[in-house]
Formats: sequence, C-alpha cells, structure tokens
Amino acid sequence: GENVEQHPSTLSVQEGDSAVIKCTYSDSASNYFPWYKQELGKGPQLIIDIRSNVGEKKDQRIAVTLNKTAKHFSLHITETQPEDSAVYFCAATLPLNDYKLSFGAGTTVTVRA
Amino acid sequence: NAGVMQNPRHLVRRRGQEARLRCSPMKGHSHVYWYRQLPEEGLKFMVYLQKENIIDESGMPKERFSAEFPKEGPSILRIQQVVRGDSAAYFCASSLGTRSYNEQFFGPGTRLTVL
Repeated sequence: GENVEQHPSTLSVQEGDSAVIKCTYSDSASNYFPWYKQELGKGPQLIIDIRSNVGEKKDQRIAVTLNKTAKHFSLHITETQPEDSAVYFCAATLPLNDYKLSFGAGTTVTVRA
Repeated sequence: NAGVMQNPRHLVRRRGQEARLRCSPMKGHSHVYWYRQLPEEGLKFMVYLQKENIIDESGMPKERFSAEFPKEGPSILRIQQVVRGDSAAYFCASSLGTRSYNEQFFGPGTRLTVL
C-alpha cells in the first residue's frame, strides 16, 4: 500500500506570514493528492487537491505543488490568518483503489496574532 | 443538505464491552468509508461499504471488528470485547461515487475511550 510521510508535525507562524507543509509518498503510481483541514472537534474537510498530470494548483491563499520525480507534494498557505490554525493532513491514492485515502500524520498549524 | 452524521460523538466503554458506532451518510450518497485516527497519527482506512455490501475491508482488524451498511438505516461499526488499544477517533465518510474525483465528506467522528 501507499505510505505518506508529512513534515513538520507542528508549525507556528506569525499572522501574515506563509506556511509550508511537505509530504512524500512511496508509490510512484499514486495519482491523486488531496489536502484536508481538521478543526478541533470536527472531521477533516477537503481544502484543495491535485492530480498527477498537474504540477501546481492555486485557490486564493492556498496552493499545492507536486514533484512526481521526487515523489513529494507541498501545501503553501500565504498571508496566514488566525482562522488558518488547524491540523492539516495530506493524503494520496492509488489508481487501483482510489477511494482508499492514505493520510500523513498531520501538521498542527498555529497562527500567532 | 445535512452533512455526514455520526453518533455518539463520545463513547466510553470498559474493557470487554461492545462499542457500536453509527454513521448516516449525506443524502444521496451510497458509498461509506470508515477511518480510525489514533492519537498523534493520521487517519487509517478501515473499510468501504455500499448498501448491503462490504467492498473492501482490508484495513479492518481480523478479529472483534465488523461493519455493515444495511438497506435501511445508518452504517454501523461494531467493536466487540474492546481493549484499551481501541481508544481512538473513528471517522465515517461518504461519497457520491468511488472515483477519486468524488469527494469524501467526513463526519465529526466518534471518540471512543476504553477504560
């Protein structure tokens, strides 16, 4: 199966600064990479995703980049705001059973006001 | 349109008891997935069900754990004879279809504590 590693485990940034979270995956056949945000007491919510045929995707202050050769992908949050404080999870799926999300261990992001 | 609903939100059981976790998918969704989140870890896939069928249970422990999604009613994750290591958050997700472009919507989770 797929193995996803995520770094860092915790990240503290000043409001207005950028936050970057990095993930690596083990199976080069993985073709779908979603990112989830989990707020305290809630379930994960999809915030952005990228497919293997695309190198970068942006949605307002959030962007994701994918390097298939190195098998890593990153989440970039610009102009961070207090409401960005949450746990962020990266995930990957394989084509054969692409309903099966393999998650990283999560990054706890704290935005300091 | 209500989201995925799970109950109870918190469940406390003593070792050896049974735990039943319920999940009602979003309206119109017939695909249900269960994930387990241990402390300080990411979510781990357990099982994928459609109405009355288990499609993939490769992530389920072989003993004590079972899941169902009956024709009528919510999906149930059942843990028999719970042990302390079963303490975790259990999340249910549902989707309209099974391909990756069919987003999985997650419920708020059931936090199981085994004393």
